[in-house]
Amino acid sequence: NAGVTQTPKFQVLKTGQSMTLQCAQDMNHEYMSWYRQDPGMGLRLIHYSVGAGITDQGEVPNGYNVSRSTTEDFPLRLLSAAPSQTSVYFCASKPGPVSGANVLTFGAGSRLTVL
Amino acid sequence: AQSVTQLGSHVSVSEGALVLLRCNYSSSVPPYLFWYVQYPNQGLQLLLKYTTGATLVKGINGFEAEFKKSETSFHLTKPSAHMSDAAEYFCAVSDKSSSASKIIFGSGTRLSIRP
Repeated sequence: NAGVTQTPKFQVLKTGQSMTLQCAQDMNHEYMSWYRQDPGMGLRLIHYSVGAGITDQGEVPNGYNVSRSTTEDFPLRLLSAAPSQTSVYFCASKPGPVSGANVLTFGAGSRLTVL
Repeated sequence: AQSVTQLGSHVSVSEGALVLLRCNYSSSVPPYLFWYVQYPNQGLQLLLKYTTGATLVKGINGFEAEFKKSETSFHLTKPSAHMSDAAEYFCAVSDKSSSASKIIFGSGTRLSIRP
């Protein structure tokens, strides 16, 4: 079982470039989400999805886009990268029926540096 | 809106000493509460969770936490620290009323263990 797979693990971008962080899970989880982790700020929710075709904003959505065309995949797009988006990004999923009690399974993280 | 406050960004204890990591939450409805642990360069994994029933919850690696509604707290404890407990610990909250059931994390507490 691969669990939650994130690619790439490391990425360096220049300001204004675009890129997509990929997230795939093989557990048939309905709920998927993206967090960013910054020192002293913990994990902050960027976007989440409760099923294919359904997405919603989290705490810090500005500058990021998501889509959910399949149950397995939940890519995170940066359309015009800014230095403030330098962070470690985590994808996490949990099973349905979607409930607050269900436990998140995390990917290993993607470290992004924007110069 | 839900929120989590973790008191102390860094806690240092001696090996064999009591570990106490503090977490207070804010939620307008009954919460689900979690503690996750992050070892260096890894994603997060669940330590324990409170959903309903017994307010003292036991988790992995000898950790436990007690839900105190009157104090809006969910502090994490371990009677005797081990070197392998050095990690970052995150408290998180979700709620029972929202169909989205997103999980909000605190800012984290880094636990160091002195030999």
